[in-house]
Amino acid sequence: ETGVTQTPRHLVMGMTNKKSLKCEQHLGHNAMYWYKQSAKKPLELMFVYSLEERVENNSVPSRFSPECPNSSHLFLHLHTLQPEDSALYLCASSQDSGTGSYEQYFGPGTRLTVT
Amino acid sequence: AQSVTQLGSHVSVSEGALVLLRCNYSSSVPPYLFWYVQYPNQGLQLLLKYTTGATLVKGINGFEAEFKKSETSFHLTKPSAHMSDAAEYFCAVRIPGDYKLSFGAGTTVTVRA
Repeated sequence: ETGVTQTPRHLVMGMTNKKSLKCEQHLGHNAMYWYKQSAKKPLELMFVYSLEERVENNSVPSRFSPECPNSSHLFLHLHTLQPEDSALYLCASSQDSGTGSYEQYFGPGTRLTVT
Repeated sequence: AQSVTQLGSHVSVSEGALVLLRCNYSSSVPPYLFWYVQYPNQGLQLLLKYTTGATLVKGINGFEAEFKKSETSFHLTKPSAHMSDAAEYFCAVRIPGDYKLSFGAGTTVTVRA
């Protein structure tokens, strides 16, 4: 595997289900991100982890719960979602060192449908 | 705070014609600027970036962008469109030292044969 991988690629869940999205980066980066991409809306940053610590949480509802067990893996735990949570969820990673351009590398995304 | 405005949500060009996608930014400090491309059912792929130095930046797939501080712009161009350029393009801005990457709303490019 290379780059940033995400599983599953597609997920359909009911509003009472609990599921998790997984992201793995093979780039040796030290920061990871979750974004939500909805139709006709700009990408929304949800969570940022740097060196496995959460550094930003953009007022995301508590039904989304992130977990970063190490610098290569990032999870997004989902429970009691709403239909408006249906979207493409993108994971990204970057190498942040105080210098450099901090470009982020994205995974292919998980297409989530809440029924 | 920083923000990005992409002018035109949809651009249609003929194969072989110039591709021009417009991006204007707002930032309190000199920003880092990026263009990403997203093909259907895929994630975002970095096309090019500007940090410091030369204001004309060349990227992958024949794309380039020019940073114009006086106009707060970072427009993306490609001299000759190819069918494979059909995708959605996002301009993004980041303040040095900040984690937040702010994206524009995106521009969808279609290429006519």
